[in-house]
Amino acid sequence: AQTVTQSQPEMSVQEAETVTLSCTYDTSESDYYLFWYKQPPSRQMILVIRQEAYKQQNATENRFSVNFQKAAKSFSLKISDSQLGDAAMYFCAYRRREYGNKLVFGAGTILRVKS
Amino acid sequence: DTGVSQDPRHKITKRGQNVTFRCDPISEHNRLYWYRQTLGQGPEFLTYFQNEAQLEKSRLLSDRFSAERPKGSFSTLEIQRTEQGDSAMYLCASSRRGSSYNEQFFGPGTRLTVL
Repeated sequence: AQTVTQSQPEMSVQEAETVTLSCTYDTSESDYYLFWYKQPPSRQMILVIRQEAYKQQNATENRFSVNFQKAAKSFSLKISDSQLGDAAMYFCAYRRREYGNKLVFGAGTILRVKS
Repeated sequence: DTGVSQDPRHKITKRGQNVTFRCDPISEHNRLYWYRQTLGQGPEFLTYFQNEAQLEKSRLLSDRFSAERPKGSFSTLEIQRTEQGDSAMYLCASSRRGSSYNEQFFGPGTRLTVL
């Protein structure tokens, strides 16, 4: 079975600075997706960024970027120029590429942004 | 707003009572998912539907839980004889076949408290 591990229960960052959230996963599959989701205090989860396992290039979405190390099964999220609105719970998630399969989530990392 | 909606947002019940939650997916999304999220943890997959067919169920979905999607549109999740361990946030998500990477869009959740 696939597992996702987020070893940082909580992280803090100063506004305008950069923070990196860690995620490791375990799978025997070779073709899959990895995601970072953001869950603000209102608790509606939204997708931040995704990475396809067969792509070597790391995904980037504005201030958000990932460091995908397939051999090490590592998938970290870097948030640049942190903003107060980035404060939330962040979940790393895995899904097999086959259509419609379930998301497997890590336990999450609470990100606090200090002004 | 045409996002995923869930009703009710909060439910408090006494142990042993039955409860039913409703999820309305984004229109034209043929896949619908239920997840359960306990405090401080990531969501865990419960079940998913393609149209009206229930294609996968987790071991977490005991025989006290039943989910339906009778017309391939909205879905209901019923818990019979609730237990205190059922207290959690129940999240619904939907996705559309043929979308770029089948992103799952989440609803706001139903918070269940069993006294």
